Amino acid sequence: DIQMTQSPASLSASLGETVTIECLASEDIYSNLAWYQQKPGKSPQLLIYDASSLQDGVPSRFSGSESGTQYSLEINSLQSEDAATYFCQQHHDYPYTFGAGTKLELK
Amino acid sequence: EVQLVESGGGLVQPGRSLKLSCAASGFTFSNYGMHWIRQAPTKGLEWVASISPSGGSTYYRDSVKGRFTISRDNAKSTLYLQMDSLRSEDTATYYCATSITMMVLTPFAYWGQGTLVTVSS
Repeated sequence: DIQMTQSPASLSASLGETVTIECLASEDIYSNLAWYQQKPGKSPQLLIYDASSLQDGVPSRFSGSESGTQYSLEINSLQSEDAATYFCQQHHDYPYTFGAGTKLELK
Repeated sequence: EVQLVESGGGLVQPGRSLKLSCAASGFTFSNYGMHWIRQAPTKGLEWVASISPSGGSTYYRDSVKGRFTISRDNAKSTLYLQMDSLRSEDTATYYCATSITMMVLTPFAYWGQGTLVTVSS
């Protein structure tokens, strides 16, 4: 199975700041990487797929990038509604695997 | 508007069976791969099973292979997950989700609200 190592496990940031969350794949996943946002008590929502493609309706302050097997989610100009847990997921091969999640807290 | 509504969860004893359903609306169900994903309480996400648009191809994680069966009824726009020989480690909220395109191996574009399955004596 492809292992997805996500970091950090948690972070705290202020409104208006920029944060970056990273995911390292254990092998080449050829940009087949998605990011999801999950708020407490809610189901996950797709933010980004294919490493950098923004899902319809997702604000442009969310962006994705890659460097080799390292993938990043950047959130610019943090808003209060961005407080959530974020997961990465490889969609290159079965079984789909997810990162352990990053809990983002707004100060 | 895409809607996915899961049902069928509940408390079940180890070794027993349960069948989950996911009623879909707002899109052409028969054109999309569908998936089940679960999340144990306060834990991360774990993919369970996927099925092709026609139902002719199915995929499972190893830990549920031989115990769980994913199926679909395109005439009813409904996805199913038959869960047999349930174990305590199957306790989780189960979500159904759609593929983002007509392919199966894709990200999960839309998710239901989830249904909780608790396996305990």
